[in-house]
Amino acid sequence: AAGVIQSPRHLIKEKRETATLKCYPIPRHDTVYWYQQGPGQDPQFLISFYEKMQSDKGSIPDRFSAQQFSDYHSELNMSSLELGDSALYFCASSLVGTNLGSFGSGTRLTVV
Amino acid sequence: KQEVTQIPAALSVPEGENLVLNCSFTDSAIYNLQWFRQDPGKGLTSLLLIQSSQREQTSGRLNASLDKSSGRSTLYIAASQPGDSATYLCAVPNTGNQFYFGTGTSLTVIP
Repeated sequence: AAGVIQSPRHLIKEKRETATLKCYPIPRHDTVYWYQQGPGQDPQFLISFYEKMQSDKGSIPDRFSAQQFSDYHSELNMSSLELGDSALYFCASSLVGTNLGSFGSGTRLTVV
Repeated sequence: KQEVTQIPAALSVPEGENLVLNCSFTDSAIYNLQWFRQDPGKGLTSLLLIQSSQREQTSGRLNASLDKSSGRSTLYIAASQPGDSATYLCAVPNTGNQFYFGTGTSLTVIP
């Protein structure tokens, strides 16, 4: 069965650069979630989208933005990168009302 | 806000032992609870999902139980193997499917 696809798997950026992470949900899933997991930390919720509209917002910095497109894929845009942004970024998708979520393998972002 | 706690934070056992990982949550009004496995630097692998109406789920050597009223879940691993070494996370979703994760239990199974 198709799973949540994230790209790229690894990304290295310099301070103050920008990065774009992509997430392709499971087919027919209408909701996408982004999580950030710092070294030794549990995943922290950043933001979610339902039917291309932002549905919930967590601890997402103002330097980050995200959107969900008409094909339901989502992109997390990160600007003015800081060393502390180095983390594993997960995307999850679900079908509203099912209370189930499937996670992608994550994108490891390293800011140097 | 839901808070999820896992104990112990780390566990080291010899191969072949049975072990129990604990997860507690503050808001018992949950839809389900999910256990994940995470290898170092890797993604989350879903192990077991327990719906709020269920009391336990089994998959191979894994058994997860859920006691909603007391806000607790346990993950039982039978006959542990070195390949079971990983971090185990429990998570509960809110009404919007935002997951609240526990801090994880880092398991090391010694050959």
